Amino acid sequence: GENVGLHLPTLSVQEGDNSIINCAYSNSASDYFIWYKQESGKGPQFIIDIRSNMDKRQGQRVTVLLNKTVKHLSLQIAATQPGDSAVYFCAETYYGQNFVFGPGTRLSVLP
Amino acid sequence: DAMVIQNPRYQVTQFGKPVTLSCSQTLNHNVMYWYQQKSSQAPKLLFHYYDKDFNNEADTPDNFQSRRPNTSFCFLDIRSPGLGDAAMYLCATSREQGGYEQYFGPGTRLTVT
Repeated sequence: GENVGLHLPTLSVQEGDNSIINCAYSNSASDYFIWYKQESGKGPQFIIDIRSNMDKRQGQRVTVLLNKTVKHLSLQIAATQPGDSAVYFCAETYYGQNFVFGPGTRLSVLP
Repeated sequence: DAMVIQNPRYQVTQFGKPVTLSCSQTLNHNVMYWYQQKSSQAPKLLFHYYDKDFNNEADTPDNFQSRRPNTSFCFLDIRSPGLGDAAMYLCATSREQGGYEQYFGPGTRLTVT
C-alpha cells in the first residue's frame, strides 16, 4: 500500500473500445474499495465502490470486480470515450481507517 | 455548486515559514480528511477527523497539524515547511467512517521556496 512510483503505468485504448484497469491491494482485511478518476489539476472524483462481501458491482458504463483470493480489483469501462482520459486510482480501507490509494494508472484514449 | 472548497488554490511559502491551508464543506459530513499528493503519485492520507476526534496516520510527520473548529471547516498547518513538503494538498469529506464515498476538493498546490 505504499504510494511510490514516479512513472505511472499507462493504458492506451482506442475510442469505443473497452478498458480494463487493474489494481492489487495490500490488506486482506480491507472491507471497502473505491475507484477514483483524477483529471489534471483536479481532486479525485468517485467512480464506483464495492464492499468486501461482493465480487462485482456495475454502474453506468463501469464495472468493478473484486477477487479477494488474490487481492485484486479491476475497473472495466465500456465504450471508452475521450472524456475518460485521466489517472485512475483504486483505494482500500478497513472500517474507514488506513485509507490507502494504489499507485494509479493513466488512461489515454486514442481517437 | 462547490461542496468541498479549498483555499487558496495555490500557495507559496518560504522554507521554514508556517503556512495554513483551509478546507470548508457544505455537505455537513462528519468526517474530513487531509491528503498529500506529490507529482505523479497517489494521494497519501495524513490524518482525518471523525467529528471532533482526530486520527493521525502513523507515518505523518509531526510538522503537520490539523484543526477542526466546527463541522464545516478544517485546517492543515505546516509548522516548518521543507522543500519536500511541496505538493498538492487535498481535502475530502465523507458522511461517516467506513464504507462511504469521499468527496474531494480541488486541492491546494503548495510551493516552498
